Amino acid sequence: EAQVTQNPRYLITVTGKKLTVTCSQNMNHEYMSWYRQDPGLGLRQIYYSMNVEVTDKGDVPEGYKVSRKEKRNFPLILESPSPNQTSLYFCASSLSQGAGGYTFGSGTRLTVV
Amino acid sequence: QKEVEQNSGPLSVPEGAIASLNCTYSDRGSQSFFWYRQYSGKSPELIMFIYSNGDKEDGRFTAQLNKASQYVSLLIRDSQPSDSATYLCAVNMGPGSQGNLIFGKGTKLSVKP
Repeated sequence: EAQVTQNPRYLITVTGKKLTVTCSQNMNHEYMSWYRQDPGLGLRQIYYSMNVEVTDKGDVPEGYKVSRKEKRNFPLILESPSPNQTSLYFCASSLSQGAGGYTFGSGTRLTVV
Repeated sequence: QKEVEQNSGPLSVPEGAIASLNCTYSDRGSQSFFWYRQYSGKSPELIMFIYSNGDKEDGRFTAQLNKASQYVSLLIRDSQPSDSATYLCAVNMGPGSQGNLIFGKGTKLSVKP
C-alpha cells in the first residue's frame, strides 16, 4: 500500500531532551515536507526537500533540523524541544509539485512539558 | 510575506445544496493550486488540483481558478453530510520553490441533513 509512515503517533517529552520523528514513504517520491498544525494558525511548513541531500527552509524552521540521506526517509529532529513546539506534526511526500500535491502521513502529536 | 487567505467559516449548507469555498493568494507568480479536505483528527487529503485558468471538474467537485484576480474556489455539488470537514486551500509559489506549498487556515464546512 502506497503510504507515508510517521512514528511515533504520540509523544510526550520534557524540555531540552532531543527527539527525532521519523518519516518514510514507499512511493519513490522526490519531494518530502514537514508541517506543523496549530489551532488558529493552520498548517505551516517547517522544512522541505526536493531530493536526496537537497533541503530548504519553510516558513517556521527555527528549532528544527532535517536530513535527507535516502530518498524514502526524511526525519525531523528537535535538538532541544521547548513547550512552544507542542503541536501536531505532519510529514508529506509528492512525486513532484507538478504531479498534484502532497500525500500526508497520519500525524505525530507532540507535547513538550 | 506570501499568504493564502480563506474564510474560516463555519459554512453551513443543507444537504443537496451547492457549497462554495473561496481562497485568495498574494503571490502573482503562483503556479499550482490545491484543495485538501481534512476531517477532524485526521490528516489532510488531496481532493483537487488546478494549474490553468478556468474550471476543472471531478465528480461532484469543481475547482475554479482566476489568476488575474488571484482567486481560486471549490464548488461541491449535491453536498452530503459526509462532506462536513475543513477544506484547505494550498498554493505553490512557483519556480525556485517547487516544494514550498503554502496553506490557508481552512474553511469549516457543515452539511446539515
